[in-house]
Amino acid sequence: DAGVIQSPRHEVTEMGQEVTLRCKPISGHDYLFWYRQTMMRGLELLIYFNNNVPIDDSGMPEDRFSAKMPNASFSTLKIQPSEPRDSAVYFCASSFERGVAGETQYFGPGTRLLVL
Amino acid sequence: GQSLEQPSEVTAVEGAIVQINCTYQTSGFYGLSWYQQHDGGAPTFLSYNALDGLEETGRFSSFLSRSDSYGYLLLQELQMKDSASYFCAVRDRSGNDKLIFGTGTRLQVFP
Repeated sequence: DAGVIQSPRHEVTEMGQEVTLRCKPISGHDYLFWYRQTMMRGLELLIYFNNNVPIDDSGMPEDRFSAKMPNASFSTLKIQPSEPRDSAVYFCASSFERGVAGETQYFGPGTRLLVL
Repeated sequence: GQSLEQPSEVTAVEGAIVQINCTYQTSGFYGLSWYQQHDGGAPTFLSYNALDGLEETGRFSSFLSRSDSYGYLLLQELQMKDSASYFCAVRDRSGNDKLIFGTGTRLQVFP
């Protein structure tokens, strides 16, 4: 398997523009996670899905952020309108299971977003 | 809620042994995970401890003491390529089971 795939790898945009980040999880994985990483705040979970259903979106910073998972092989994270403080690395991760025995989350390469 | 504490930075020389500690506060606990992240890269899973004791995987070992809410990652025979950030993480059972990451420990290995 190719692993978790994210696109674009880099995005530079101007304040106020819409940004759409894309993720293809590993085939067969039931869980998909969106994280944001900054120097100030570290690695934060934004939202996660189980079988395409959002389970916890409490980490989504505000209404400008939205995420969808229309099918098991695709998810998007959208920021509209974007602001300079949204500049960060956005990671998508997937996992096969989340039992008591533990889980392994597989991270994509990330999208480096810069909002000017 | 959950909180995790790690040292911000550790330095060591090639061939040495280094221990990265993690203390956590949690209202519910499954186990402690460790992830490695090289500069510009993505986090990569290293290990998971659900029970007390030491888990060994090659040069890396991870330890957990549930009674002390404490764990550590032990890296032996350090190599330059081990220079990276290391994150401990726990599942927040009180908050929809999401994974909470520590702030990370930056390890620098010198020749």
